[in-house]
Amino acid sequence: AQSVTQLDSHVSVSEGTPVLLRCNYSSSYSPSLFWYVQHPNKGLQLLLKYTSAATLVKGINGFEAEFKKSETSFHLTKPSAHMSDAAEYFCVVITITGTASKLTFGTGTRLQVTL
Amino acid sequence: DAGVTQSPTHLIKTRGQQVTLRCSPISGHKSVSWYQQVLGQGPQFIFQYYEKEERGRGNFPDRFSARQFPNYSSELNVNALLLGDSALYLCASSWTGGRFEETQYFGPGTRLLVL
Repeated sequence: AQSVTQLDSHVSVSEGTPVLLRCNYSSSYSPSLFWYVQHPNKGLQLLLKYTSAATLVKGINGFEAEFKKSETSFHLTKPSAHMSDAAEYFCVVITITGTASKLTFGTGTRLQVTL
Repeated sequence: DAGVTQSPTHLIKTRGQQVTLRCSPISGHKSVSWYQQVLGQGPQFIFQYYEKEERGRGNFPDRFSARQFPNYSSELNVNALLLGDSALYLCASSWTGGRFEETQYFGPGTRLLVL
């Protein structure tokens, strides 16, 4: 079964400093991985996705993630945090069974950005 | 283009009642998936529909049912509501729902409170 583990439930950074949100995956085949962001009382927005092309994936709002097969990791980074980045972030793996697909979410990392 | 829309935005029910939640996918998308997000957790897969057929079902009791209409909109029904059904219910749409590289786009959700 496909699964993801988010290593930190809460991360706090100062505005202007780098962001690192960690995610490890478990998969019996080459996975497709996503990062979604959820702002308070809002739906989920796709930040970026990895689908076995380039291992360094660039997303929206300056975020990027690197797929590392040797470490089974897909960490999310941003060089400089902004107050508007404060939100819940989910690492997600997709599972295809026959003609069906489902997203399996990690438990989430709450990013706090302070002045 | 309009994104995924869901109605109602909020709902309060009492135990034992039944509820119907509605979702309209992005124009052109033929697949709709439903997810349940309990407070403080990541979303959990409930159903996936494509061309009015159920493609996949998560680990939810038979009290949960869904259907998809010819215009690709969908309804999620929950019977005999329990307190534990209180959650944010998210709808996601995609073109076919059956490919690794395909993005699922989420609506804002319906927040259900069961008293």
